[in-house]
Amino acid sequence: GESVGLHLPTLSVQEGDNSIINCAYSNSASDYFIWYKQESGKGPQFIIDIRSNMDKRQGQRVTVLLNKTVKHLSLQIAATQPGDSAVYFCAENGGSGGYQKVTFGTGTKLQVIP
Amino acid sequence: DTGVSQNPRHKITKRGQNVTFRCDPISEHNRLYWYRQTLGQGPEFLTYFQNEAQLEKSRLLSDRFSAERPKGSFSTLEIQRTEQGDSAMYLCARTSGGNTGELFFGEGSRLTVL
Repeated sequence: GESVGLHLPTLSVQEGDNSIINCAYSNSASDYFIWYKQESGKGPQFIIDIRSNMDKRQGQRVTVLLNKTVKHLSLQIAATQPGDSAVYFCAENGGSGGYQKVTFGTGTKLQVIP
Repeated sequence: DTGVSQNPRHKITKRGQNVTFRCDPISEHNRLYWYRQTLGQGPEFLTYFQNEAQLEKSRLLSDRFSAERPKGSFSTLEIQRTEQGDSAMYLCARTSGGNTGELFFGEGSRLTVL
């Protein structure tokens, strides 16, 4: 069935360093993945997405890598800033036709050390 | 601003009482989602509306839960005879109207059942 999960519950990173958050999924038919960021007291916020016909996608300071062979994706944040401190969720979107059936993983808490 | 307002932001109630949460998305988006998030976990899908039609419900939505979207604009989520296990953040989300998997979440309604 659909399942996404994260390897580490907490990640501490020095300000200015790069962060890498990993995620594994179990459904080999999954073809659309999304990363969300959730700050304390707020709802999740979309960061970046990737479809299975790509293995890399870049945004502003963020890069998502998808390895379909081992069913793994990662979120890389360059030059991590204090404002990046949050919980990060990988999610799989199994919807179609405008219906977004988003299944979230457990989350990794990113702590940025000033 | 994600274009989704939820109220109340916090609700404390005694076990057995009924509670109702309201979600107001900006008007022109016809798809609306409810999620539940417990501490330390990712959001879990509860139900989905397209206009006023409730098209999908999760198994998590027991018969004590009911959601409505009477005019295809705002939505309500009611929990009857609350139990301590209902304590969670209830999140409402809309889509962008396009084909991306981006969900725009409100800030949620946090329920504490004593």
